[in-house]
Amino acid sequence: DAGVIQSPRHEVTEMGQEVTLRCKPISGHNSLFWYRQTMMRGLELLIYFNNNVPIDDSGMPEDRFSAKMPNASFSTLKIQPSEPRDSAVYFCASTPGPTTEAFFGQGTRLTVV
Amino acid sequence: AQRVTQPEKLLSVFKGAPVELKCNYSYSGSPELFWYVQYSRQRLQLLLRHISRESIKGFTADLNKGETSFHLKKPFAQEEDSAMYYCALGSNYKLTFGKGTLLTVNP
Repeated sequence: DAGVIQSPRHEVTEMGQEVTLRCKPISGHNSLFWYRQTMMRGLELLIYFNNNVPIDDSGMPEDRFSAKMPNASFSTLKIQPSEPRDSAVYFCASTPGPTTEAFFGQGTRLTVV
Repeated sequence: AQRVTQPEKLLSVFKGAPVELKCNYSYSGSPELFWYVQYSRQRLQLLLRHISRESIKGFTADLNKGETSFHLKKPFAQEEDSAMYYCALGSNYKLTFGKGTLLTVNP
């Protein structure tokens, strides 16, 4: 398995544009997490899914953010409209079960200008 | 609510010196505690977990339930240990991270 795959690796977009980040978890993993990493706040949990169902989205900063997991092998995080303060590295991670090792993707570095 | 606190954002030591990265947690149940490491511009990866009680790359961490701590220690730091270290708490499918500590090991 190639591990957790995120795309794109880098994204530069203008303020107001829609941004879609993609994640392919490791096959067979039941849980998927979206994190945002910034210098100021560290690693923040945005939302996590278990068996494709969103369990806790309390970390999603505002309505501009939305996440979906239409099937066990794909998830998206969408920001619409994007703002400069959304600039960060967004990580996706998956785990095979509760409280087990999380496997991270390489992240998407988002820059909103 | 579960919370993980890493009080030091930055920690700088010299090669060969002991290093301790602090982590305190808040959780009412029995947590699973982890340390993750992120080398420059790479993905996060698991360093160690408390249930395995193992030593990885010379690092150890002991869960102290009385003090609700899970500090990461290494007796002799190496330059290649320079990285960002995150303490994490897992429970009920949720994995919560602290803000991280950037460790710099100087030659």
